[in-house]
Amino acid sequence: KNQVEQSPQSLIILEGKNCTLQCNYTVSPFSNLRWYKQDTGRGPVSLTIMTFSENTKSNGRYTATLDADTKQSSLHITASQLSDSASYICVVSVSTGGFKTIFGAGTRLFVKA
Amino acid sequence: GAVVSQHPSWVICKSGTSVKIECRSLDFQATTMFWYRQFPKQSLMLMATSNEGSKATYEQGVEKDKFLINHASLTLSTLTVTSAHPEDSSFYICSAKDVRTSGGAGEQFFGPGTRLTVL
Repeated sequence: KNQVEQSPQSLIILEGKNCTLQCNYTVSPFSNLRWYKQDTGRGPVSLTIMTFSENTKSNGRYTATLDADTKQSSLHITASQLSDSASYICVVSVSTGGFKTIFGAGTRLFVKA
Repeated sequence: GAVVSQHPSWVICKSGTSVKIECRSLDFQATTMFWYRQFPKQSLMLMATSNEGSKATYEQGVEKDKFLINHASLTLSTLTVTSAHPEDSSFYICSAKDVRTSGGAGEQFFGPGTRLTVL
């Protein structure tokens, strides 16, 4: 069964600290993995997209890693800011002749001053 | 960058009325658009896949007669919630795939969402 699991469910950190969010998936055949940031009451905004051959991709203070062998991905946020408070969603696409995406439940990040 | 807009951003309606939500790709053409529903503190749930010029494909459990989808052009898809009830109150989000990057590796661009409240 295709599944995407994210951990932790929620996380509280102090401004300026780093944090890492996890995404494990059991999706096959794998096409790509994306991390999105969703502010409350807004649509998701893409942070990174990685295909099978990519191990890491950065977007400013956001760095995503992908281990296709263990089917794990992480999103590392460096020097967190208050504006980083949001839900972070891991989305995995399946290449099965059509186009199907599996959404994780998201990690809610709270950055405190 | 690719921009997807939704209109309205929020709507309040009486029970029994119908509400139409528009999703537009502003600077690219989208052969495929997706409609999602999101309840508080939950992730997005795919409702249907909308293909330009053809019928939408609905996910299991989604009533196609209640959630009417029309994808009349490469830049516009509409979702009409018919005879809305309070349980239909939710955050509705659309996304679109750029026709130039179609296929599994193509990126989805999300709209800002529409908050529907049915009284």
